[in-house]
Amino acid sequence: DVKVTQSSRYLVKRTGEKVFLECVQDMDHENMFWYRQDPGLGLRLIYFSYDVKMKEKGDIPEGYSVSREKKERFSLILESASTNQTSMYLCASSSDRSPSFYNSPLHFGNGTRLTVT
Amino acid sequence: KQEVTQIPAALSVPEGENLVLNCSFTDSAIYNLQWFRQDPGKGLTSLLLIQSSQREQTSGRLNASLDKSSGRSTLYIAASQPGDSATYLCAVQSDSGYALNFGKGTSLLVTP
Repeated sequence: DVKVTQSSRYLVKRTGEKVFLECVQDMDHENMFWYRQDPGLGLRLIYFSYDVKMKEKGDIPEGYSVSREKKERFSLILESASTNQTSMYLCASSSDRSPSFYNSPLHFGNGTRLTVT
Repeated sequence: KQEVTQIPAALSVPEGENLVLNCSFTDSAIYNLQWFRQDPGKGLTSLLLIQSSQREQTSGRLNASLDKSSGRSTLYIAASQPGDSATYLCAVQSDSGYALNFGKGTSLLVTP
């Protein structure tokens, strides 16, 4: 079974702090994603990566950056946390190896609930 | 931009009923459509994936159908149980990229 592990379930940070959210997957997946989930807004894509050191902006990248130095690890960085970044953050991964690309479900971690005060 | 809509937003049914959750999307150029389940405070669990060339997929009491031309999918749950209570989300992977576009989900409550 695919395991996607997010390092923290709950996190409380102060405004202006630099915050690191870590995600590790154990299935050698090429693709990794960061979403945030807010009531009434659903899941929105922040960033994704389809290979080591590669990254692409999603729908709401402002205020965030990412790092993918190793295939199994994808980090989300809040450069200067703000209260409007209080949210549930979900990491996910999927395989890109043909022919599975079109048949590869997304596997999610359990999420990190971040509160910025 | 792909828009995904789920109706209804919430649903309450007595145990044992069969039920249908609906999902619609605006752009039919998709690779696949996926259904997920989310329990409160948790991540998402993949239930079913339907490739764009397929019409339906089944897993146990779950059956998902896809009508790509009309931009619709349904998730059928047979003989519902209280343990089915969760939020169900559908998502489409457009053929323009890697990421999924999600609907806002249907919150299902199955009462004993």
